[in-house]
Amino acid sequence: EPEVTQTPSHQVTQMGQEVILRCVPISNHLYFYWYRQILGQKVEFLVSFYNNEISEKSEIFDDQFSVERPDGSNFTLKIRSTKLEDSAMYFCACWGGETQYFGPGTRLLVL
Amino acid sequence: AQSVTQPDIHITVSEGASLELRCNYSYGATPYLFWYVQSPGQGLQLLLKYFSGDTLVQGIKGFEAEFKRSQSSFNLRKPSVHWSDAAEYFCAVGLTNFGNEKLTFGTGTRLTIIP
Repeated sequence: EPEVTQTPSHQVTQMGQEVILRCVPISNHLYFYWYRQILGQKVEFLVSFYNNEISEKSEIFDDQFSVERPDGSNFTLKIRSTKLEDSAMYFCACWGGETQYFGPGTRLLVL
Repeated sequence: AQSVTQPDIHITVSEGASLELRCNYSYGATPYLFWYVQSPGQGLQLLLKYFSGDTLVQGIKGFEAEFKRSQSSFNLRKPSVHWSDAAEYFCAVGLTNFGNEKLTFGTGTRLTIIP
């Protein structure tokens, strides 16, 4: 069964550093998303992406965040200057006609 | 804006016992409803979904959920739980079934299974 993959599974970074989280969605899926889950809290929508542009973004998704689909397979989330409060599990998802399929997540820890 | 409430933060049940996890949503029309499960250290796996039609939907791993419009609820049930069901369960709602629709999640219910 096709699945969404994410790399790295864990990342530790220093505050102020840039991080790039990578996702390989299911092929032929056209809508992509990033969600995050701060430890102990609910999963929150960050951004949706279609046809090489952002469809919708939440208030969390400020100028420090950006998304890109640099080639035909990868979908990335960049945080330009990480803050302590960016520590969370970040999930990539893609839409396959009926439902959203989620990747296993990247756990980001900002020190 | 739509919202989802999962009133039970943590539930403990004995292996073999029945299970019901509660989910209530707030939205003016009938939303698209989902239950996802997250095992420790894992991603979100779709258990089942409701779009329309029969209000009792069957999912994977023996789970089912019933949509009750009058109560704005979409509770998840399983007649007999297994130790492997221990996980975090999230109810989610979408306003449409189109690709550009984000999901709104509840805060989750952590399920513990005791022997």
